[in-house]
Amino acid sequence: KAGVTQTPRYLIKTRGQQVTLSCSPISGHRSVSWYQQTPGQGLQFLFEYFSETQRNKGNFPGRFSGRQFSNSRSEMNVSTLELGDSALYLCASSLVPNQPQHFGDGTRLSIL
Amino acid sequence: DAKTTQPTSMDCAEGRAANLPCNHSTISGNEYVYWYRQIHSQGPQYIIHGLKNNETNEMASLIITEDRKSSTLILPHATLRDTAVYYCIVRVGTDNYGQNFVFGPGTRLSVLP
Repeated sequence: KAGVTQTPRYLIKTRGQQVTLSCSPISGHRSVSWYQQTPGQGLQFLFEYFSETQRNKGNFPGRFSGRQFSNSRSEMNVSTLELGDSALYLCASSLVPNQPQHFGDGTRLSIL
Repeated sequence: DAKTTQPTSMDCAEGRAANLPCNHSTISGNEYVYWYRQIHSQGPQYIIHGLKNNETNEMASLIITEDRKSSTLILPHATLRDTAVYYCIVRVGTDNYGQNFVFGPGTRLSVLP
């Protein structure tokens, strides 16, 4: 069974631009969560989607947004990029929200 | 803030059991204990979780104290590939609207040859 797939693996952007990251969950998984990982702050929860609805949201500014499609695939968008947005962005999926989450290997975003 | 405390780092000899402790003294009755690990440059990997009974799977064993205020993850025969950061997390297992996984700094386990 294929794992969680995140694309692209690496991305370089400049300040002020926007970016869209993609996540394909494990087949059959309907819940998708996003996390940001930085050396200073560690792993921080961004948001969780289930059945195309955002269930939970972490403490991040409105520049960070996401959505989930009917096939459970998810995207997250960051607008007006800042240097501090440089991070590893991780997607995790689970069958339903209260089940163990399985992570992809992330998208490493670098802001110049 | 994370609801768990773990040692910052630990060493273990290859082939020996690695015992990773976690304190979660404020755990609620409906919160599960989860363990994940993260090997450098990879996403976190789910290891095991439990509510109050000890659990075992092909990767590890989870021992939860009777009062549920602490737990220990046991890797029975550590290999070099088990070198990673190990995270202990508590989270509501049932309807968790408003809950999410809160990762602390974890324990950096180094398996030594």
